[in-house]
Amino acid sequence: AQKVTQAQTEISVVEKEDVTLDCVYETRDTTYYLFWYKQPPSGELVFLIRRNSFDEQNEISGRYSWNFQKSTSSFNFTITASQVVDSAVYFCALSEADTGGFKTIFGAGTRLFVKA
Amino acid sequence: DVKVTQSSRYLVKRTGEKVFLECVQDMDHENMFWYRQDPGLGLRLIYFSYDVKMKEKGDIPEGYSVSREKKERFSLILESASTNQTSMYLCAIEFPRAAGYDNEQFFGPGTRLTVL
Repeated sequence: AQKVTQAQTEISVVEKEDVTLDCVYETRDTTYYLFWYKQPPSGELVFLIRRNSFDEQNEISGRYSWNFQKSTSSFNFTITASQVVDSAVYFCALSEADTGGFKTIFGAGTRLFVKA
Repeated sequence: DVKVTQSSRYLVKRTGEKVFLECVQDMDHENMFWYRQDPGLGLRLIYFSYDVKMKEKGDIPEGYSVSREKKERFSLILESASTNQTSMYLCAIEFPRAAGYDNEQFFGPGTRLTVL
């Protein structure tokens, strides 16, 4: 069955620290997609990144980087030199095939506090 | 710019009332979704639709129904609101693989519903 686990409920760091948000998933499909979304205090979820199951290459985008490891079913997200504006709830999500299309489930989210 | 609008940001209803939550998109996408977001539980899928007049149950459809009479509009209906339906409701559209995406979702601003 599909499952996404974000074991860290809340993380608090001081500005400029690096922080890693963990995501572990379960799926029986060989074709699936993984996502990270950010939900700032304003409430709207913002798409950050997607990865398909055939592409284990890690990705870096500015201060953000993602480490996808199929061997451990993990898709971790690291923020380097964190800033106050990074304070948000971050959701990891898994999408796999379902009747008529793809179905996405979300983890419970990790709330990140970055203090000045 | 992608636009997903939800009819209200905040809504207060009484137990037993029939509640309509509207979601409208301007991207001509087929796939639309309704989630509810609760602390510690992340986003849970209520219903989704892959096209006009099509609907599929998500993980927690009990107490809800949906309507998709036009492609751009996906309505969530609480037939008889109960206090345990107090939640944040999020509508999303999905960017299709046929257009070169990998099923990432774009969310509306959310409706915070309180049932008294």
